[in-house]
Amino acid sequence: ILNVEQSPQSLHVQEGDSTNFTCSFPSSNFYALHWYRWETAKSPEALFVMTLNGDEKKKGRISATLNTKEGYSYLYIKGSQPEDSATYLCAFRRIGGKLIFGQGTELSVKP
Amino acid sequence: EAGVAQSPRYKIIEKRQSVAFWCNPISGHATLYWYQQILGQGPKLLIQFQNNGVVDDSQLPKDRFSAERLKGVDSTLKIQPAKLEDSAVYLCASSTRWADSTDTQYFGPGTRLTVL
Repeated sequence: ILNVEQSPQSLHVQEGDSTNFTCSFPSSNFYALHWYRWETAKSPEALFVMTLNGDEKKKGRISATLNTKEGYSYLYIKGSQPEDSATYLCAFRRIGGKLIFGQGTELSVKP
Repeated sequence: EAGVAQSPRYKIIEKRQSVAFWCNPISGHATLYWYQQILGQGPKLLIQFQNNGVVDDSQLPKDRFSAERLKGVDSTLKIQPAKLEDSAVYLCASSTRWADSTDTQYFGPGTRLTVL
């Protein structure tokens, strides 16, 4: 059984705070690691797909890093805004396999 | 470009009743996925189609769940009969190059099912 773990489960921050979440996944047969943002009543939105050890991706105030040898990825949000409030999902993919999602980190940003 | 469409958005049924969900993927996307997301858990793949053929249905409870994609475009997922534990959000997604490591799945808004 493949386990993808995300921490923390939930996070409450003030507007302007920077924050980060962790996604842990099996380090063997790595193929890809995905990050999605899922706002309430909307479709999950793809943020990043990462395939190489040491990959760093950036989209506006959001960035992500990847360590495939130790099996983790970090997602960073700089200067959180209320519109960043959402559930952030990571999904691991093994060679030839399907996406296995973590349980998500629920972020709430208060004005 | 239009996104993945799903209907209905919400459905409430009694246990042992039947329910069907519909999905229309992004035009030109050959691969279509159905996921089940139970509260507090991540989405779990139920079935994956490549055009109108099934690639993976290993986690589909086949005694009560069925899915089809007859013309290789839109798809229907059915539950018959529903159980309390089927209460979840059912997400549909589509993609173009599922064998490629950088393939991105695009999701619809989901159908929230409540079984009473």
